[in-house]
Amino acid sequence: QVQLQESDPGLVKPAETLSLICTVSGHSITLTNYYWGWIRQPPGKGLEWIGTIYHGGITYFNPSLKSRITMSMDTSKNQFSLKLTSVTAADTAVYYCARPYGTGWVSSGNLGYWGQGTLAIVSS
Amino acid sequence: QSALTQPRSVSGSPGHSVTISCTGTSSDVGGYDLVSWYQQHPGKAPKLIIYDVGKRPSGVPDRFSGSKSGDTASLTISGLQAEDETDYYCCSYGGSHNWVFGGGTRLTVL
Repeated sequence: QVQLQESDPGLVKPAETLSLICTVSGHSITLTNYYWGWIRQPPGKGLEWIGTIYHGGITYFNPSLKSRITMSMDTSKNQFSLKLTSVTAADTAVYYCARPYGTGWVSSGNLGYWGQGTLAIVSS
Repeated sequence: QSALTQPRSVSGSPGHSVTISCTGTSSDVGGYDLVSWYQQHPGKAPKLIIYDVGKRPSGVPDRFSGSKSGDTASLTISGLQAEDETDYYCCSYGGSHNWVFGGGTRLTVL
């Protein structure tokens, strides 16, 4: 059974970079046709798709965040990561990593496996 | 791209049915049969309950069903139970390799 676990970003200062790692177990991230995603949820608010990374490091980002996002994969550790630069208080949120229920791009929005989420607080 | 529009709240009595709408545009909901629905209990990660408009992942009760007409997708929960009281989110493909969520709906079981 695939399991995902986000790292703890701790407190992030405004204008700095938020870095998160998602560690995957029970499934190799090198398998083709599987997409891996990041989603966030500000306290008391709704979900927001951040972006998706695919085997080989192909990435797709939310247009509203695109200029500040970097995603990568570390296949040796079975991890994928998110970096969000120039953070503000508006980036305070629970960040989730997730894997779709099926394979292929058309399934990449059907997020069937989620990490427990990690709270990132942006504050000086 | 804008968030999909969901009612802030809906309510229903135990054993009855309730429908949650999710309205987008022809560029997202109306343009693709790629709508999913999530159930999220407080402090927990979302759970996929409907994908590809009307399909259910294994283990999801058939009390949950999905449909779409034009630019609006709908989630219907029949035989309401107390444990169904929580938040629900829709999500749709928005074109150009983007996905967009709805603002969420709080379901109250009276």
